[in-house]
Amino acid sequence: NAGVTQTPKFQVLKTGQSMTLQCAQDMNHEYMSWYRQDPGMGLRLIHYSVGAGITDQGEVPNGYNVSRSTTEDFPLRLLSAAPSQTSVYFCASSPTLAGEKLFFGSGTQLSVL
Amino acid sequence: KNEVEQSPQNLTAQEGEFITINCSYSVGISALHWLQQHPGGGIVSLFMLSSGKKKHGRLIATINIQEKHSSLHITASHPRDSAVYICAVRPSGSRLTFGEGTQLTVNP
Repeated sequence: NAGVTQTPKFQVLKTGQSMTLQCAQDMNHEYMSWYRQDPGMGLRLIHYSVGAGITDQGEVPNGYNVSRSTTEDFPLRLLSAAPSQTSVYFCASSPTLAGEKLFFGSGTQLSVL
Repeated sequence: KNEVEQSPQNLTAQEGEFITINCSYSVGISALHWLQQHPGGGIVSLFMLSSGKKKHGRLIATINIQEKHSSLHITASHPRDSAVYICAVRPSGSRLTFGEGTQLTVNP
């Protein structure tokens, strides 16, 4: 079982560049989410989705866009990268919003120069 | 003050020791999660609790709703248990809030 597949694992961007972090799950989960992890801070929610066509903002949404055209895919777009977006990003899914178990992707280490 | 506080921040133990990691929170919750983040960065869900106690192998998680406190215990610790352990709470009707994590190192 693939679970949650997140790509790329590493990325270096220049300020102002755009990119898309890919996230796909093969477990038919309704709930998908994106988090960023910074030193000295807990995981912080960027955006989430409770089903195809439904997305909402989390705690730190500025500078990021998401879409959920299918149940499987939940890409995260950085529109114009800034050094403050240097972080480790995780995609996660669970069967429902209040799901008992969260399944995480392997993470993307992003550096913005 | 964070809604979720973990202690200790760092913990070093010898193989075989009994380990306790604590999580305190300040709001009413519907559920609490314990997660494990491996040295390579991957995150695995260990437990979800809404009351009482759960056990899986050498891991035991307990929660006291009245005291707003949870503990994660590891019995007979092993170097492969070395990881960051993360507590996350789901306030009623809201989304998960994560603690900063406890870095555990188990020496052989």
